[in-house]
Amino acid sequence: DQQVKQNSPSLSVQEGRISILNCDYTNSMFDYFLWYKKYPAEGPTFLISISSIKDKNEDGRFTVFLNKSAKHLSLHIVPSQPGDSAVYFCAAFTYNFNKFYFGSGTKLNVKP
Amino acid sequence: GAGVSQSPSNKVTEKGKDVELRCDPISGHTALYWYRQSLGQGLEFLIYFQGNSAPDKSGLPSDRFSAERTGGSVSTLTIQRTQQEDSAVYLCASSPRDRGANVLTFGAGSRLTVL
Repeated sequence: DQQVKQNSPSLSVQEGRISILNCDYTNSMFDYFLWYKKYPAEGPTFLISISSIKDKNEDGRFTVFLNKSAKHLSLHIVPSQPGDSAVYFCAAFTYNFNKFYFGSGTKLNVKP
Repeated sequence: GAGVSQSPSNKVTEKGKDVELRCDPISGHTALYWYRQSLGQGLEFLIYFQGNSAPDKSGLPSDRFSAERTGGSVSTLTIQRTQQEDSAVYLCASSPRDRGANVLTFGAGSRLTVL
């Protein structure tokens, strides 16, 4: 039962352009949504989060948008840099179960 | 500690052997999670600890898998009679479990290879 889905396994963008990573979820009761970034041979690192009561959160080059009616969130990276090349995981958290549900990840390649 | 520490970082074992993976969470973090990532797959939830108790162990794949946590700190994931399909990176993460601070901090993982 995949409650969080990332339907694009990979994405390739040119340096300086916008990267848009997408995530869909099925449970309207999630309280928080998070994005994690993972380099090879390292654990995922927290990038940015958004509360379910918000629709946008921005932190430097990274912005997360939440569309609750569509049960969809996206991560925008502007401008993209080669160092952003990594696997990005979308996650959803519920206080009810203290559980984090992760998507399958999107591998981003930013070409110089 | 400053971060989540996992050991061993790499483990190669023969099919049928038992393995133990250790996680040392961030000091003061009451919540501890185990995930695993098989080759080409996403993060699969295994078990969640709050303090020393495990309110959710629904992700453990079989009764060959068990985990414990002692002193509200270190956790050990044990896999008995390992099988080749157990090969994966096992990730531990901890969280302070405060409302508004629900961010998991992950360790670097333990890569398990079962021959």
